[in-house]
Amino acid sequence: ELKVEQNPLFLSMQEGKNYTIYCNYSTTSDRLYWYRQDPGKSLESLFVLLSNGAVKQEGRLMASLDTKARLSTLHITAAVHDLSATYFCAVDMMNYGQNFVFGPGTRLSVLP
Amino acid sequence: DSGVTQTPKHLITATGQRVTLRCSPRSGDLSVYWYQQSLDQGLQFLIQYYNGEERAKGNILERFSAQQFPDLHSELNLSSLELGDSALYFCASSATGTRTGELFFGEGSRLTVL
Repeated sequence: ELKVEQNPLFLSMQEGKNYTIYCNYSTTSDRLYWYRQDPGKSLESLFVLLSNGAVKQEGRLMASLDTKARLSTLHITAAVHDLSATYFCAVDMMNYGQNFVFGPGTRLSVLP
Repeated sequence: DSGVTQTPKHLITATGQRVTLRCSPRSGDLSVYWYQQSLDQGLQFLIQYYNGEERAKGNILERFSAQQFPDLHSELNLSSLELGDSALYFCASSATGTRTGELFFGEGSRLTVL
């Protein structure tokens, strides 16, 4: 079964703290994407990870990909309130007849 | 602004009715994707078109249909609407000729079925 899982699904953290969101997927793929969604809004592309060992950083967010472990992480450094949103990972599963399969999302709330 | 345009932004209708959602992809993008987002189901892939042809199909109900026109805009038709069809419907397009395959999403059409 083609599955993408995220952990945790809900995350409440204080400003200034660090945390990591995990994304596991069930099949081999070397393309993984992270998106951000504010409540009721569109999805905004954050990172595109295209190979094993890929690491991308933007501001307080850093994403990495381990295709052998079928795992991607989104690390948050010194969180600020503006990072409060839902974060989705998505895996390209075209080789299995699917397109982008999205994880359930991690709802992040950064408290002052 | 992703460059993907969806209309209408909001739509309220009754059960049993039919609606059409419209999407214009980013300039130059040949692929259009439709997703349904509801509170209890997350983001569900419905269907993809590439240059007018259906490329992939997801969990799309038989009551739903879509097409992509020669000018590359796409329409999603939802018929015999049920309360459970209330959701945010997103259209996305992807770049042509690049390896990333990154999806760019529109603002969505929020459908409420009463």
